[in-house]
Amino acid sequence: QKEVEQNSGPLSVPEGAIASLNCTYSDRGSQSFFWYRQYSGKSPELIMSIYSNGDKEDGRFTAQLNKASQYVSLLIRDSQPSDSATYLCAVIRAAGNKLTFGGGTRVLVKP
Amino acid sequence: DTEVTQTPKHLVMGMTNKKSLKCEQHMGHRAMYWYKQKAKKPPELMFVYSYEKLSINESVPSRFSPECPNSSLLNLHLHALQPEDSALYLCASSQVLGGNGQPQHFGDGTRLSIL
Repeated sequence: QKEVEQNSGPLSVPEGAIASLNCTYSDRGSQSFFWYRQYSGKSPELIMSIYSNGDKEDGRFTAQLNKASQYVSLLIRDSQPSDSATYLCAVIRAAGNKLTFGGGTRVLVKP
Repeated sequence: DTEVTQTPKHLVMGMTNKKSLKCEQHMGHRAMYWYKQKAKKPPELMFVYSYEKLSINESVPSRFSPECPNSSLLNLHLHALQPEDSALYLCASSQVLGGNGQPQHFGDGTRLSIL
């Protein structure tokens, strides 16, 4: 089992719709969770951090964390073509200092 | 524009060359990282510096040599690289290492091609 798992996609979403991305992690003691957006050929850009159970909203983005079920999700509301990118879920495990990435989900927003 | 600056943006080098990648941040962060990223893969951690000391080396071959001259600068010295080392090299920084899960902020990366 991979430490952090994501569906590779592509997740195809019509413009204006909600894109829903999921991520599961194996280390139950993980405390810190991040979503990065990466455009093709560019570097990862931090878009959300979440540390406690529940929802966290920032603009059109909502991160949801459920530690009991060991998953973290990202919702993108009113999806725009500019949201087309790979979204990386990343976790800092309890026992270490390293950021562990999932494989990324490619999102395609079609006009 | 990112607050972590990497130079050069692109680098082409032969297998016998010696070159260096540079990274600079002025956010007062005390943890700095080097990652390697191949196409369609997530970033892979190479090295971590905490308070200018090497904290983590992920069993990286010795042809990659990191250096942290001060709290703002991080270098990666390259020598006798192989074609499979061609990748995007990313520098990142965070306030401290560990410490309640500080997020890491990435530079734009250096696209390295080995001929």
